Amino acid sequence: ETGVTQTPRHLVMGMTNKKSLKCEQHLGHNAMYWYKQSAKKPLELMFVYNFKEQTENNSVPSRFSPECPNSSHLFLHLHTLQPEDSALYLCASSQERGVADTQYFGPGTRLTVL
Amino acid sequence: DAKTTQPPSMDCAEGRAANLPCNHSTISGNEYVYWYRQIHSQGPQYIIHGLKNNETNEMASLIITEDRKSSTLILPHATLRDTAVYYCIVRVEGTNRDDKIIFGKGTRLHILP
Repeated sequence: ETGVTQTPRHLVMGMTNKKSLKCEQHLGHNAMYWYKQSAKKPLELMFVYNFKEQTENNSVPSRFSPECPNSSHLFLHLHTLQPEDSALYLCASSQERGVADTQYFGPGTRLTVL
Repeated sequence: DAKTTQPPSMDCAEGRAANLPCNHSTISGNEYVYWYRQIHSQGPQYIIHGLKNNETNEMASLIITEDRKSSTLILPHATLRDTAVYYCIVRVEGTNRDDKIIFGKGTRLHILP
């Protein structure tokens, strides 16, 4: 247990569906991250939040919409996804954005888009 | 692009020390070396990090060369549970002075019984 939980662990959705991924951290951290891990590709950083403010968006398509209502919770809202969006979506948190801040990862949500 | 180079795979006998190398020849003076591992279908797990000095914790030891151009992660007594992909990461400073973590392809470590 890393103190970062993600729900659901598995999700299957159609291209016209709307769904949300949830991440919660119990570590008192102030920075939270969304990563995407596709088969046979390196981990890709998607979004970064620091003290509830989005500080980074790595050219992620608008069909992915993050939300950070407080420092403990992070959501990723999904709509009109494509089959190539199928991947493992990982949430992470760290004390604060900056040098040498260790990131702790959740178990991930395995998403399949049909 | 990741700033590190790692062998794609390695084998190690159970009970022996596993030594995982990483090259980071373009590392800057204020960049840290981090190691994570990812067991199949799980999230990455933090192992250890260092700047200049060698580091040791309950999981592993990190040996950084004096010129900081390479490092070695040492798992002193490897077990089957250590089978995973091991990522060596150098922190990159972004355009807004926010550093990024860029994961490369890592080393797939197989622990052999």
